[in-house]
Amino acid sequence: EIVLTQSPGTLSLSPGERATLSCRASQSVSSTQLAWYQQKPGQAPRLLIFGASSRATGIPDRFSGSGSGTDFTLTISRLEPEDFAVYYCQHYGTSLTFGGGTKVEIK
Amino acid sequence: QVQLVQSGAEVKKPGSSVKVSCKTSGGTFGSDGVSWVRQAPGQGPEWVGRIIPILGIANSAQKFQGRVTVTADKSTNTVYMELSSLTAEDTALYYCARVASTRIGHDFSYYMDVWGKGTTVTVSS
Repeated sequence: EIVLTQSPGTLSLSPGERATLSCRASQSVSSTQLAWYQQKPGQAPRLLIFGASSRATGIPDRFSGSGSGTDFTLTISRLEPEDFAVYYCQHYGTSLTFGGGTKVEIK
Repeated sequence: QVQLVQSGAEVKKPGSSVKVSCKTSGGTFGSDGVSWVRQAPGQGPEWVGRIIPILGIANSAQKFQGRVTVTADKSTNTVYMELSSLTAEDTALYYCARVASTRIGHDFSYYMDVWGKGTTVTVSS
């Protein structure tokens, strides 16, 4: 089973700053099956990125994804107040796995 | 705009079973299926199982095999997740999510693009 490890666990930043979130897979995965989700308290996860780098419908272009093999990155170019949340990477395969999450909090 | 409407909160005794439903509103599930994901209090999401209704194919995470049954009623556009032999560790918010796909190059990317609001399952004696 593929294990996804996200780092850091918590990222403390100010609005307007750049956020870089990492997701590392325990073995090489197809980038087409790597997605990122945002979750706010009391809400279901929201799809941000699929195929490692394709933005989902309605997602602002300050969100971007990159990576291949075992290393993937979600970048938020300039944090807006509504971006402070928890972010999860997820792999879709024979089984589905989620990373442990990165909380982006206001510094 | 497809929405997923889940059944209401459940409180169950240890050792019993729970069956949660997920019905589409404003459309169908599509051809790529529905996944069930749970989230225990303060924890990250955890995949439980999935079904492709038009094919009738279902599978589940190894952790839940033998305890979870995912079924679909195509006539009512409803998917069900039944979990048996409940313990306190099964207390969680259970989400259904539509699986969608997009062609990227020679491959298809699969992801969960529409989520239900979740069903709280509490297991307590």
